[in-house]
Amino acid sequence: DAKTTQPTSMDCAEGRAANLPCNHSTISGNEYVYWYRQIHSQGPQYIIHGLKNNETNEMASLIITEDRKSSTLILPHATLRDTAVYYCIVVQTGANNLFFGTGTRLTVIP
Amino acid sequence: NAGVTQTPKFRVLKTGQSMTLLCAQDMNHEYMYWYRQDPGMGLRLIHYSVGEGTTAKGEVPDGYNVSRLKKQNFLLGLESAAPSQTSVYFCASSYLSFGTAKTHSNQPQHFGDGTRLSIL
Repeated sequence: DAKTTQPTSMDCAEGRAANLPCNHSTISGNEYVYWYRQIHSQGPQYIIHGLKNNETNEMASLIITEDRKSSTLILPHATLRDTAVYYCIVVQTGANNLFFGTGTRLTVIP
Repeated sequence: NAGVTQTPKFRVLKTGQSMTLLCAQDMNHEYMYWYRQDPGMGLRLIHYSVGEGTTAKGEVPDGYNVSRLKKQNFLLGLESAAPSQTSVYFCASSYLSFGTAKTHSNQPQHFGDGTRLSIL
């Protein structure tokens, strides 16, 4: 699976959009981009995933660049409950393993 | 709807003791997984199962055994606990493996809330 690179930490003001970048420059054609988050002491929570096109659900939006070498997770209106570690993971079609890195620690500030 | 339930939530063992961690899911998922998470690190896959009666090794399988006798349960065993196995253990389940039919992958893996295991 392709490796990902994320900033170690980010801050975001409450109510503003949080934009979390992820670099996956070695991604191959059959690999998906998944985002999970882990709120302190809890199990990881699935957020969103995509292959080529931008995706949106009730939690977030995922913007994938045309060359697929990077992506951005957008939380449109961050709340204090969005404070968590966010993991960007690249997964091959049919794979069973999630290779979690160290993620980005997002702190939402009142 | 309980989702994924892990038992116990906390446990302290002495070196050399054995124990079994239980994971139960009520979503009729085919796939189940055991991960461990060490401080400041991401999760690492220990073992997984693609269906009842099957198991497979993940990234860090040494020192652990697993069994999937019933579809809804996935057991993780430590035969002789070592301090290096002190960790938080997470179980997960999913309909299918990754990247398959999107209608089944809205939440690819559902995670439990973890078992905190300390080995002295």
